Amino acid sequence: DAKTTQPPSMDCAEGRAANLPCNHSTISGNEYVYWYRQIHSQGPQYIIHGLKNNETNEMASLIITEDRKSSTLILPHATLRDTAVYYCIVFTNFGNEKLTFGTGTRLTIIP
Amino acid sequence: GAVVSQHPSWVICKSGTSVKIECRSLDFQATTMFWYRQFPKQSLMLMATSNEGSKATYEQGVEKDKFLINHASLTLSTLTVTSAHPEDSSFYICSARDPKTGPYEQYFGPGTRLTVT
Repeated sequence: DAKTTQPPSMDCAEGRAANLPCNHSTISGNEYVYWYRQIHSQGPQYIIHGLKNNETNEMASLIITEDRKSSTLILPHATLRDTAVYYCIVFTNFGNEKLTFGTGTRLTIIP
Repeated sequence: GAVVSQHPSWVICKSGTSVKIECRSLDFQATTMFWYRQFPKQSLMLMATSNEGSKATYEQGVEKDKFLINHASLTLSTLTVTSAHPEDSSFYICSARDPKTGPYEQYFGPGTRLTVT
């Protein structure tokens, strides 16, 4: 079962920062927070992951609260190509390699 | 990043026939590959975990005799849908783990859309 809660949909204006929240209140100490996105009719694309600290890469930033019960994915300057379903997944690195996808957030970038 | 391909990208078959879908890791060796199924407007559901040189591990509710998985090499896994029926029409996606980048990142193929008529 998915261990995360995400809003079903969000809109964001092109060029603005898109902030996608995720609640994972039952996360355990050895579970990472992963973000993937799926553009229509394509396979999911890895975005970023983190354990405790905030992370940033060329695609996005990941902000994890100190108690690790929630996180926010930030797309700093959203473009139309960022329209997709975004999945937040908690995932342990101890033998269990199965990613369990929830329903995700459908992000629509508005011109 | 690592690249995973799938073939075919789409296929239409008649009810009762079998269809094979290939998943290849193009620039890395994948000891573990995963097969997912996605129905319209739904999330991805893991069907099975495919390990090179051994039998696949199927998720609960997935018929192993209907969805045959073979992982004969470190770069190729195949999913065969046997005796396909219209309810098997779906988007099938594979993913592969690149051991060199750690156990965390899975790279997904572009998916195969199966339509059974």
